Amino acid sequence: NAGVTQTPKFRILKIGQSMTLQCTQDMNHNYMYWYRQDPGMGLKLIYYSVGAGITDKGEVPNGYNVSRSTTEDFPLRLELAAPSQTSVYFCASLDRGNQPQHFGDGTRLSIL
Amino acid sequence: GENVEQHPSTLSVQEGDSAVIKCTYSDSASNYFPWYKQELGKGPQLIIDIRSNVGEKKDQRIAVTLNKTAKHFSLHITETQPEDSAVYFCAARTAAGNKLTFGGGTRVLVKP
Repeated sequence: NAGVTQTPKFRILKIGQSMTLQCTQDMNHNYMYWYRQDPGMGLKLIYYSVGAGITDKGEVPNGYNVSRSTTEDFPLRLELAAPSQTSVYFCASLDRGNQPQHFGDGTRLSIL
Repeated sequence: GENVEQHPSTLSVQEGDSAVIKCTYSDSASNYFPWYKQELGKGPQLIIDIRSNVGEKKDQRIAVTLNKTAKHFSLHITETQPEDSAVYFCAARTAAGNKLTFGGGTRVLVKP
């Protein structure tokens, strides 16, 4: 059971480039989330999804886009990378209410 | 929205001593409070959680207490071991979208 898988693990981008962070889960969870974690800080919610075809903004959505075409996959898109988006990005999934979120191991992204 | 404050930001204890981390939350409608442990280079891992209809929960050396009236909850680790060294996050769940709001984290160092 792989759980939540994130790819790539590391990436360096130049300012203005675009990329997609991949997240897939094999637990058939309805809810999926994207967070960013800046050095020494807690996790901030970027976007979330309550099911296939449904997405909504979190606390810090600017500069990002998401889609949820299947239950398993929840990719995060950066269109015009900026240095302020240098962070560690975590994807998480959840089965249903009052259950814990399961996290992937993160994607470490540097924008130079 | 929900706001979660976590203290202290760093905690150094001698092996065998106890460690206590405290969190406060603002939204009285929050009803689920997980604690996560994050080791270097890894995603957060759930270590214990508590629901709003329970005042205390214990799992071996780890316990969590919840005071709904005061809107605060605490993590207690007894008989600390070097492998307890990590960053710990508290969180509070809001019902809409099953979203978690995280505290800023506590870096715990257990000295042998």
